[in-house]
Amino acid sequence: NAGVTQTPKFQVLKTGQSMTLQCAQDMNHNSMYWYRQDPGMGLRLIYYSASEGTTDKGEVPNGYNVSRLNKREFSLRLESAAPSQTSVYFCASSEASLLYFGPGTRLTVT
Amino acid sequence: QKEVEQDPGPLSVPEGAIVSLNCTYSNSAFQYFMWYRQYSRKGPELLMYTYSSGNKEDGRFTAQVDKSSKYISLFIRDSQPSDSATYLCAMRPNQAGTALIFGKGTTLSVSS
Repeated sequence: NAGVTQTPKFQVLKTGQSMTLQCAQDMNHNSMYWYRQDPGMGLRLIYYSASEGTTDKGEVPNGYNVSRLNKREFSLRLESAAPSQTSVYFCASSEASLLYFGPGTRLTVT
Repeated sequence: QKEVEQDPGPLSVPEGAIVSLNCTYSNSAFQYFMWYRQYSRKGPELLMYTYSSGNKEDGRFTAQVDKSSKYISLFIRDSQPSDSATYLCAMRPNQAGTALIFGKGTTLSVSS
């Protein structure tokens, strides 16, 4: 039982490049989330998916898109990366109110 | 006023000390209260969870919720160097589809 897995673990992009962060969970949870964590800012919700087939914006959705591919997988796409998107990205899944986080992706945009 | 306030610290204590970590909040609708622990360069992990008011104890950890004061606490007894981490509070209303609101986290260092 791996829980929540994320790929890649690290990534460096140049401004304007695109990439997709992958997330998968094996806990059969309905809800999945993408957060970013920045020093002094805490965890901020980018997008979430309450159930398969639905997605909603969180606090900081600009510059990102998401896809809930199936119940297990929830991907986050940066279409045109900007230095302001340098951050650590965490995927999480939940049943009821309890969130379980993945190990994170450290993204640097130069 | 932010919905959830948490002193970022850092908080430094000697091994064996009792640690008190706190959060205040403004939304009286919050019903679910959690504490997450995050080690350096790792994802947050769920530590404690309480619903509505009251206390919950798990080993050396006690979570308290005082809804009248809009104040939650996490106490760590007999603190250990392995407790050195960032502790984040999180909460949300009892309403389906609402996301957790996190505090910014308090960094704790326990020295041996």
